[in-house]
Amino acid sequence: DTAVSQTPKYLVTQMGNDKSIKCEQNLGHDTMYWYKQDSKKFLKIMFSYNNKELIINETVPNRFSPKSPDKAHLNLHINSLELGDSAVYFCASSQQGGGEQFFGPGTRLTVL
Amino acid sequence: GENVEQHPSTLSVQEGDSAVIKCTYSDSASNYFPWYKQELGKRPQLIIDIRSNVGEKKDQRIAVTLNKTAKHFSLHITETQPEDSAVYFCAALKGTGGFKTIFGAGTRLFVKA
Repeated sequence: DTAVSQTPKYLVTQMGNDKSIKCEQNLGHDTMYWYKQDSKKFLKIMFSYNNKELIINETVPNRFSPKSPDKAHLNLHINSLELGDSAVYFCASSQQGGGEQFFGPGTRLTVL
Repeated sequence: GENVEQHPSTLSVQEGDSAVIKCTYSDSASNYFPWYKQELGKRPQLIIDIRSNVGEKKDQRIAVTLNKTAKHFSLHITETQPEDSAVYFCAALKGTGGFKTIFGAGTRLFVKA
């Protein structure tokens, strides 16, 4: 049983396109996150959602729009993709934002 | 703003030796300090954590120490093995309701057999 799953695992696309990444957790957690990991492996938080409500938006361009239809899902839609968006995107979840985070397998996005 | 500094960025040790990774944080309200291990091509996974009411925690070959006054915490791995080779991230956040985790830049640990 996969605790936190993401689809797709790989995404290769052209500049200017719009794409979505989906995330689901079956741990019953109330908090979900999106992180961006760049080529230097730096992990930076993008968004935090608690009980479907946006809590943290870390000055991410508004081309990135997260959506949480319910507590178990947090999707990420990206408009007008740019070369600098190329990275690995990790979804994660935790309970009440204050403990261990469980990460998904990551989505490697390559913008050409 | 909040910041977590992590050193060294790269660490190479001989199998059986100890490895120490150090982090400092800036936000004095932080009270939860996890360490994550990320193997090549895999997801980060928690290996040990410590809360601010404790000064030290140990789990087999791994230990973490916390100095709240100095805002400094460290990961200690003893009797290193080749499978310990990975990138290690420290992090800091305000527990229970702290939704913003600040990660250090990571330490790439190589354990030579």
